This record gives sequence, C-alpha cells and structure tokens, in this order.
Amino acid sequence: KQEVTQIPAALSVPEGENLVLNCSFTDSAIYNLQWFRQDPGKGLTSLLLIQSSQREQTSGRLNASLDKSSGRSTLYIAASQPGDSATYLCAVRRYNQGGKLIFGQGTELSVKP
Amino acid sequence: EAQVTQNPRYLITVTGKKLTVTCSQNMNHEYMSWYRQDPGLGLRQIYYSMNVEVTDKGDVPEGYKVSRKEKRNFPLILESPSPNQTSLYFCASSLLAGGPGELFFGEGSRLTVL
Repeated sequence: KQEVTQIPAALSVPEGENLVLNCSFTDSAIYNLQWFRQDPGKGLTSLLLIQSSQREQTSGRLNASLDKSSGRSTLYIAASQPGDSATYLCAVRRYNQGGKLIFGQGTELSVKP
Repeated sequence: EAQVTQNPRYLITVTGKKLTVTCSQNMNHEYMSWYRQDPGLGLRQIYYSMNVEVTDKGDVPEGYKVSRKEKRNFPLILESPSPNQTSLYFCASSLLAGGPGELFFGEGSRLTVL
C-alpha cells in the first residue's frame, strides 16, 4: 500500500531564507507527483506536477525534484516571503491505480517578517 | 473564469437527513474527484470519475454515493449522514482522461452532522 509522508509537519523560518520541504513515498511505481499549496480555509492550489520520467520542475522561486529510486521528492523555495506562509502538500499517483491519489499530511510553513 | 464550484460551502445537518453536495467545473475536464480533509488524517479520496458514467471508489467510499451523468457535474450524495462524516470536503478536476494531470480544486464544503 502506498504511503506518503511529509516531514517536518511544521516549519518556521525568517524571511529571505531558502528552504526545502520533503515528501517520501513507499512505492516507487508512481505515475506522477504533484505539489500543492493550501491557505487556511481554502482549497488547494497546484504548484508543480512532475511526471515519473522527469527529475525536476521549476516555476519562479519554486523547484521540485523527484527521485523515484529513493522514494523522495523535495520542494525548494528560494528567498522565502511572508506570503509563502501556507500548508504545502504532496500527492502521488501510482501506475495501474486509475485516478487514485494519495496525499501526504502536509508541512505547515510560517515565514516570519 | 476557469473554476471548480462547490455548493453549499457550509452546512449543518442532522443524522440521517439525506444531503447532496454539488460540484461543477467549467473547464471541460474529464477527470473529477472528491476528497475529505480531517485533522491528523490529511486528505483522503472518496470517489473519482474518469469520464461520464465512469466512477470508482477511492480510499474512504463508505457512506457516500456519486454520479457522473454529464461531464461538468459530479455531485456527492450522503444518503444517511452520520457524525463521523463531519469534515471538510473538496472536489477537484483535471483535464486528462487517463487520470489526474494538474488538479484544480474547489474552495471546499464544510459539513457538520449533529
């Protein structure tokens, strides 16, 4: 059974710091992995989608990497800003699992001015 | 504006009173899915639909029903709600018929069952 883990559960950093969020999964037979952001009381916003054949994706200050063999993905946020404060979630889709997605429990990020 | 719309956004109901949470998307997406989010348990998939008239169970389908009679709508039905279905519910959609590519989420529906 696929399990997705995100550590740490919460992270607080000063503004301007570069940071890395981690996502681990137990079954490497994934179709893709997606990173989301969730603001309090809101829905999820897609940040980056990495297909299994890709190693990384970049969007602005965000860079997501994927290492299937080790079952890990990282989300790198450069020059963090208070507006980056939110919960970040990763989700994986397995091969031969149709439309099933498994989410991690998220990392709550707080960027202090 | 491209969006996924859920209604109602907030609902308080009583045990056993049937209710439907609607979900509609205007992006001509083929894939749609329902999730519930609970503290300490994260987001869990309830049901998903790969296309019209094609639905399948996620990880926590008990107590829920869905239907996909037309592409834009994917309602979640609670035939006899119970207090353990108190949760924050999200609907999501994506373009790809072969499964979820980039997912777009609704704003959520907070349901309380007394």
